[in-house]
Amino acid sequence: AQRVTQPEKLLSVFKGAPVELKCNYSYSGSPELFWYVQYSRQRLQLLLRHISRESIKGFTADLNKGETSFHLKKPFAQEEDSAMYYCALSALRGGKLIFGQGTELSVKP
Amino acid sequence: DAMVIQNPRYQVTQFGKPVTLSCSQTLNHNVMYWYQQKSSQAPKLLFHYYDKDFNNEADTPDNFQSRRPNTSFCFLDIRSPGLGDAAMYLCATSRDSGTESFGPGTRLTVL
Repeated sequence: AQRVTQPEKLLSVFKGAPVELKCNYSYSGSPELFWYVQYSRQRLQLLLRHISRESIKGFTADLNKGETSFHLKKPFAQEEDSAMYYCALSALRGGKLIFGQGTELSVKP
Repeated sequence: DAMVIQNPRYQVTQFGKPVTLSCSQTLNHNVMYWYQQKSSQAPKLLFHYYDKDFNNEADTPDNFQSRRPNTSFCFLDIRSPGLGDAAMYLCATSRDSGTESFGPGTRLTVL
């Protein structure tokens, strides 16, 4: 079955602390993995995708095929990082997105 | 700015009264998607149009229909809304298999 699992509904850290949002997936083929972010009262927007191998707003995510994981990391969290984060996958050649349940990140001052 | 627009942002309807949600885009993307997101849940794909081809998800209830009269517009019709259909409805677009761009969503309330 195709599935994306984000085990933490809420992650609360202090400003300047490292943060890791966990994402595990189950997929029979070769998926493309994404992280989407939704700031308060804003639309869902793409944060990064694994094929780009880039860092956006200090966030990185590495696809680990052995562990079927795509954890999102940032070494020093900022208050403006507080948002809802969704991990998602699609077929490598595109198509519908399958989302995880989302993790709410709260960065406290 | 090129974008995905959803109207209205908030929609209230009565139990059983048909309702239509609207999505338009200025990105000239050929694929348009409708997702349903219930409170504290992940967005769930209802269906999508790849050009003019309609693709329904297997578990999308018959109560949900869609129309795409042209490239720019796509509508979500709920024929007989039930209380369980109260949710945020997200429209998204993409160019072929590219990254999806999302609209702001329409929050549907069913009384």
